[in-house]
Amino acid sequence: EPEVTQTPSHQVTQMGQEVILRCVPISNHLYFYWYRQILGQKVEFLVSFYNNEISEKSEIFDDQFSVERPDGSNFTLKIRSTKLEDSAMYFCASSGQGVTYEQYFGPGTRLTVT
Amino acid sequence: AQRVTQPEKLLSVFKGAPVELKCNYSYSGSPELFWYVQYSRQRLQLLLRHISRESIKGFTADLNKGETSFHLKKPFAQEEDSAMYYCALSGRGSARQLTFGSGTQLTVLP
Repeated sequence: EPEVTQTPSHQVTQMGQEVILRCVPISNHLYFYWYRQILGQKVEFLVSFYNNEISEKSEIFDDQFSVERPDGSNFTLKIRSTKLEDSAMYFCASSGQGVTYEQYFGPGTRLTVT
Repeated sequence: AQRVTQPEKLLSVFKGAPVELKCNYSYSGSPELFWYVQYSRQRLQLLLRHISRESIKGFTADLNKGETSFHLKKPFAQEEDSAMYYCALSGRGSARQLTFGSGTQLTVLP
């Protein structure tokens, strides 16, 4: 069964550094999402991406964040200048269209900002 | 604004006992409701959705629009049901992003 994959599984970075989190969605899916979960808190929506552009974004997704689908298979989340409060688990998800819009989640990348 | 509330962070039941995980939502319109489950060290996966009206692994959930609830139930809990359960809501927008509750950690005791 196809799965969403994410790399790396754990990323440690220093405050102010740029990080890129990578995701490979399921190949025939059209919608792509990033969510995050700060330790002890709920899973929060960051951004959705469809047809090579952002379709929705939350208040969390400010100018420090960007997403890209550089090559038709990868879907990346970039944080330009990390802050301590960006430490969280970041989940990528993808879904098909119509009635098959179930979101399939990746295993997550744990980002630790020191 | 859309919101999902799961009032219980932790829930323990004995094997064979009934279990109910509560979920209430707030949404102006007709939402779509889901239950996601996360077993230890595994990814989030869809358990069931209200439009399917199906039973998965013995779990059912009925959407009650009057009470704005979507409680998850199982008549006889099994030890393998121990996991984190998240209720989630999707609006009718094109992007269908999910709003999650804070989750309930279910432990089924032997």
